[in-house]
Amino acid sequence: GESVGLHLPTLSVQEGDNSIINCAYSNSASDYFIWYKQESGKGPQFIIDIRSNMDKRQGQRVTVLLNKTVKHLSLQIAATQPGDSAVYFCAENTTPASKLTFGTGTRLQVTL
Amino acid sequence: EAGVTQSPTHLIKTRGQQATLRCSPISGHTSVYWYQQALGLGLQFLLWYDEGEERNRGNFPPRFSGRQFPNYSSELNVNALELEDSALYLCASSGGQDSNQPQHFGDGTRLSIL
Repeated sequence: GESVGLHLPTLSVQEGDNSIINCAYSNSASDYFIWYKQESGKGPQFIIDIRSNMDKRQGQRVTVLLNKTVKHLSLQIAATQPGDSAVYFCAENTTPASKLTFGTGTRLQVTL
Repeated sequence: EAGVTQSPTHLIKTRGQQATLRCSPISGHTSVYWYQQALGLGLQFLLWYDEGEERNRGNFPPRFSGRQFPNYSSELNVNALELEDSALYLCASSGGQDSNQPQHFGDGTRLSIL
């Protein structure tokens, strides 16, 4: 939940490979989760969301998995492209909609 | 459809001054959220407004305040600026407290305190 530290964990993947970014969330009462992508100089961009009554949701090239037992969330990106290079944040929310609590973020570097 | 817009893009102030940041939500969105993203840190929740009312507040001192106007746009005011207030301030909007839709962000205002 709370972000700490100055150094983001970094995931380096080759173009075309699949990427898996993990996130541990803090509040067992959270029932709505979102993944955001943030490129340099821009605000976070919505990627995909999932509600706690689901354990998997797929979008275009992305899949989010939710494991409520261990409070873990993951984002899978298929066939990673250079344009996927960014910092990825997971966020949790408790309905009714209120504040989002963000994870520390993971930097994804795509190598050619 | 226009996204969330924030102004100014950059703002430079000195210690003790006051800063006003502005946000226009996506058309049809009634909730506006403010976050602080300090260098090297993640996003920290500041304030949530919906239908003109403050609904929730993060762990920030009272010199951080804001308001939401009848057209759902919002202002964030920071009084008695301190060096550690230097950060990217992000505004997000969503469809309201009952909709549980994702928050969509603007590109932020970079506030620098000299």
